[in-house]
Amino acid sequence: DARVTQTPRHKVTEMGQEVTMRCQPILGHNTVFWYRQTMMQGLELLAYFRNRAPLDDSGMPKDRFSAEMPDATLATLKIQPSEPRDSAVYFCATRSGTDEKLFFGSGTQLSVL
Amino acid sequence: QKEVEQDPGPLSVPEGAIVSLNCTYSNSAFQYFMWYRQYSRKGPELLMYTYSSGNKEDGRFTAQVDKSSKYISLFIRDSQPSDSATYLCAMEGSGTYKYIFGTGTRLKVLA
Repeated sequence: DARVTQTPRHKVTEMGQEVTMRCQPILGHNTVFWYRQTMMQGLELLAYFRNRAPLDDSGMPKDRFSAEMPDATLATLKIQPSEPRDSAVYFCATRSGTDEKLFFGSGTQLSVL
Repeated sequence: QKEVEQDPGPLSVPEGAIVSLNCTYSNSAFQYFMWYRQYSRKGPELLMYTYSSGNKEDGRFTAQVDKSSKYISLFIRDSQPSDSATYLCAMEGSGTYKYIFGTGTRLKVLA
């Protein structure tokens, strides 16, 4: 059963701490997106990669957020230092190069105290 | 004005009712249209996927796209309590990799 895998599912941390979220794309999917979901803003695009190259990270606060794709099976989103306003659910979504269907992981629920 | 408008609801219907969920959009370049279902504390799940105008049916679900009116719909027949979730529309211009999501409509089907 092909699925996008995200870890951790939940993360509670204190302000100022580093947070790393991980995503394993569906095998064969070459495009990876990071979204943040809040009640107020809905789904916001943070960044996306195609064939491991970053194509757009204009949605990310550059001073504290970074996204990387060290290999085809792992994408990471890092926040350093974290702030309470970063509390949200972070989703990874992936798609293949052959159609536009976008598949989401289960998300990381982040709480920054 | 947002690129995609979707009524947030909540929408409450009795079990067995036909549900109609809608989105309007402003960008005529959108070619691909999707509907996602999101249960509480879960990720969005792709329900329907259509290209350009027309209808697509899958079991109790029918997706309609009217590009001339910039209007898309999702119909759920014989609605069940298990259909209670938030439904998000999404759209993308061909090859742009820019997916625009509606804010979601919260649906509650009462047993």
